[in-house]
Amino acid sequence: QLQLQESGPGLVKPSETLSLTCTVSGDSISSSAYCWGWIRQSPGKGLEWIGNICHGGSTYYNPSLKSRVTISVDTSKNQFSLNLNSVTAADTAVYYCARRGRYPGVPDEFDYWGQGTLVTVSS
Amino acid sequence: FLLTQPHSVSESPGKTVTISCTRSSGSIASNYVQWYQQRPGSSPTTVIYEGYERPSGVPDRFSGSIDSSSNSASLTISGLKTEDEADYYCQSYDSINQEVFGGGTKLTVL
Repeated sequence: QLQLQESGPGLVKPSETLSLTCTVSGDSISSSAYCWGWIRQSPGKGLEWIGNICHGGSTYYNPSLKSRVTISVDTSKNQFSLNLNSVTAADTAVYYCARRGRYPGVPDEFDYWGQGTLVTVSS
Repeated sequence: FLLTQPHSVSESPGKTVTISCTRSSGSIASNYVQWYQQRPGSSPTTVIYEGYERPSGVPDRFSGSIDSSSNSASLTISGLKTEDEADYYCQSYDSINQEVFGGGTKLTVL
């Protein structure tokens, strides 16, 4: 059974960098059939896509966050990570990691999600 | 592009409800549309993928469709149950792999 688990600080100071890691179990993050993504949800708001990292290390980011976001993968640990710099209170949200089918032969969807982790930006 | 959903819908148990998702630019048919259900305090789960496909375990009361004339996708839930009360999000993408979520629709079953 595939599982994703987010980890990282729950509190980040304004202007600093938010760093989260998603640990994947039950599947290889190197699988060529999938991308791995980050999605966030501000309190009481909707889902906002942050970005994906796909086979071969290709990255795709939300244009509204692109200048501040980096997503990377560590295949040796079966993890992928999110860095969001220069954070403000507007970045306070529940951050989810998810698996994304984007290649022929697999369903085109975010099919597995982590439980989400709340990150609060405050001094 | 944007995906626009109604903020909320409500209907009685046993009835049928349809939630729309309108794409602002580009053809709704050019990229698959997915629908996610999110209950309070939980992560989203897929109820429809690739426009009309249901994951295993999702009851056939859930169906999806595309209407090119209105450039919109729809999620229809028939035989409403109180357990269907949740937020529903549509999601699609564009030719340069930018993902977009709709703003979400709160379904109340009363």
